[in-house]
Amino acid sequence: DSGVTQTPKHLITATGQRVTLRCSPRSGDLSVYWYQQSLDQGLQFLIQYYNGEERAKGNILERFSAQQFPDLHSELNLSSLELGDSALYFCASGQGNTEAFFGQGTRLTVV
Amino acid sequence: EDQVTQSPEALRLQEGESSSLNCSYTVSGLRGLFWYRQDPGKGPEFLFTLYSAGEEKEKERLKATLTKKESFLHITAPKPEDSATYLCAVQDPLNQAGTALIFGKGTTLSVSS
Repeated sequence: DSGVTQTPKHLITATGQRVTLRCSPRSGDLSVYWYQQSLDQGLQFLIQYYNGEERAKGNILERFSAQQFPDLHSELNLSSLELGDSALYFCASGQGNTEAFFGQGTRLTVV
Repeated sequence: EDQVTQSPEALRLQEGESSSLNCSYTVSGLRGLFWYRQDPGKGPEFLFTLYSAGEEKEKERLKATLTKKESFLHITAPKPEDSATYLCAVQDPLNQAGTALIFGKGTTLSVSS
């Protein structure tokens, strides 16, 4: 157990809908990362927050947004969902300058 | 252009048959190279971080080494429970303010008894 908690574990929704994925980082970690993993693309970095502020952005679509709250938990919002958004979404946390520890992921299926 | 390339894509070993997985990278100014293990449907599990050429780290049957252009994950006398996908990653040099990782596509290892 990495200490990173993600909810929900599974999510099935229809195209055009909006969902929110939640992440609680390990105790003491200030940095939260979001990654998307699909079969053909592998693990792709989406966005990083550090102590409530956006630190770095990767290949995150404009339909996706994230935030980190004062208690350091983070949410990833995905809107106007398309079939191609079906993937595993991982949250990771760390101290911000070393290794990151991953949660068990949320499997999103868009139908 | 891939910045992190792992080979082979898949590797089948008999229990006890030692081998190595390769990770080559093209980023300049390496700020860290990371190895993770991932079981199907699970999150990646951190194994090692290497920072400079010549560095080595060990954990049970695994040993990671680093040169200026590549890293190797050596598996000595593997057991079936070592079966997993092994991912290599480097910190993204274009995201200097952040510490995001660029992952390779992984090597899927199968160890049979």
